[in-house]
Amino acid sequence: GAVVSQHPSRVICKSGTSVKIECRSLDFQATTMFWYRQFPKKSLMLMATSNEGSKATYEQGVEKDKFLINHASLTLSTLTVTSAHPEDSSFYICSYPKGEETQYFGPGTRLLVL
Amino acid sequence: KQEVTQIPAALSVPEGENLVLNCSFTDSAIYNLQWFRQDPGKGLTSLLLIQSSQREQTSGRLNASLDKSSGRSTLYIAASQPGDSATYLCAVPDNYGQNFVFGPGTRLSVLP
Repeated sequence: GAVVSQHPSRVICKSGTSVKIECRSLDFQATTMFWYRQFPKKSLMLMATSNEGSKATYEQGVEKDKFLINHASLTLSTLTVTSAHPEDSSFYICSYPKGEETQYFGPGTRLLVL
Repeated sequence: KQEVTQIPAALSVPEGENLVLNCSFTDSAIYNLQWFRQDPGKGLTSLLLIQSSQREQTSGRLNASLDKSSGRSTLYIAASQPGDSATYLCAVPDNYGQNFVFGPGTRLSVLP
């Protein structure tokens, strides 16, 4: 069964609104987790690394004030897309590492901003 | 249901060797296929993206091929270096973009 869940699986919103995506680890706890996004016909790209209890580390080109990450607990992390615009429409996916060699991925969230 | 497998699970080679990593998928109706590199404790790094209409992609010493009809992709690494040591994963999205399926990965060790 799935070890990582994401909610919602799909979301459509109006431009200017904020959208929160939840990522939950079901079977284990992890102090670190990752957020990725994939634009149409593009590669899945790492956005940020989130550590429980500290600020997230963002990859170059990812705006930390636009993509707010809250690593609330060892099993829950949220990504909030603030003031979403059509160019933020993308596929967002999270992952939890288990040890150093394995990552468990969520099923992804499809965001469409109108 | 799409399933992705990778062989070998682990590979250890001396520096300088050329090597091939294999990825197989059960449903050939894929939109694209991606190869990633994972370093211990780190997020994935995208290496190559092959669209379903393409047969191969090249980036530096890396070359990835795609044969949709047989459900296979290979990642060729030329003149391997110790810095190439990592786990390599392939992944395919379904045609609806609602699910991402990753292979289990190949753990590569390049010995100096």
